[in-house]
Amino acid sequence: DIQMTQSPSALSASVGDRVTITCRASQSINTYLLWYQEKPGKAPKLLIYAASSLQSGVPSRFSGSGSGTDFTLTISSLQPEDFATYYCQQSYNTPPTFGQGTKVEIK
Amino acid sequence: EVQLLESGGGLVQPGGSLRLSCAGSGFTFSSYAMNWVRQAPGKGLEWVSAISGSGDNTYYADSVKGRFSISRDNSKNTLYLQMNSLRAEDTALYYCARDPSHTVLFWFDTWGQGTQVTVSS
Repeated sequence: DIQMTQSPSALSASVGDRVTITCRASQSINTYLLWYQEKPGKAPKLLIYAASSLQSGVPSRFSGSGSGTDFTLTISSLQPEDFATYYCQQSYNTPPTFGQGTKVEIK
Repeated sequence: EVQLLESGGGLVQPGGSLRLSCAGSGFTFSSYAMNWVRQAPGKGLEWVSAISGSGDNTYYADSVKGRFSISRDNSKNTLYLQMNSLRAEDTALYYCARDPSHTVLFWFDTWGQGTQVTVSS
């Protein structure tokens, strides 16, 4: 199975900060990389697909980049509603696997 | 509005069985592959199973292969997960998640809110 490793596992940030989360795959996955946002008690939400394509309805402050094994999710200006846990996931092969998550907390 | 609503979770003893359901609305259910993804308490996300839009193709994680069975009834816009020989490690919140295509692409553009499964004596 392809291992997905996110860093950091958690971070504290303030509203307005620029936040970057990284995700590394144990082998090349081209751009078969997704990013999701999860909030307690709510359905997970797709943010980014194909490493850098913004899902419809997702604010433009979210962006994704990378290919091969190294990827990043960037929030350009953190908003109060962005405090959540973020997961990367590879869909390059079966089984699809997720990173362990990055919790973004209020500083 | 696209919606997925899971049901059928509960408390079951080890070795027992449970059937989860997921009702889809707001989209043409048969045009999309569907998945089950779970999250154990305090843990990350784990893909469990997938089925194509027609139901002809199914896929399973090794951890559930031979114990779980995925199916769908497109006339009822409903996805199912039959879970047999349940173990404590199957305890999790089970999400239903839509694939963005009729064929299984193994990514998820819409999720339900989940149904809790607890396996304990």
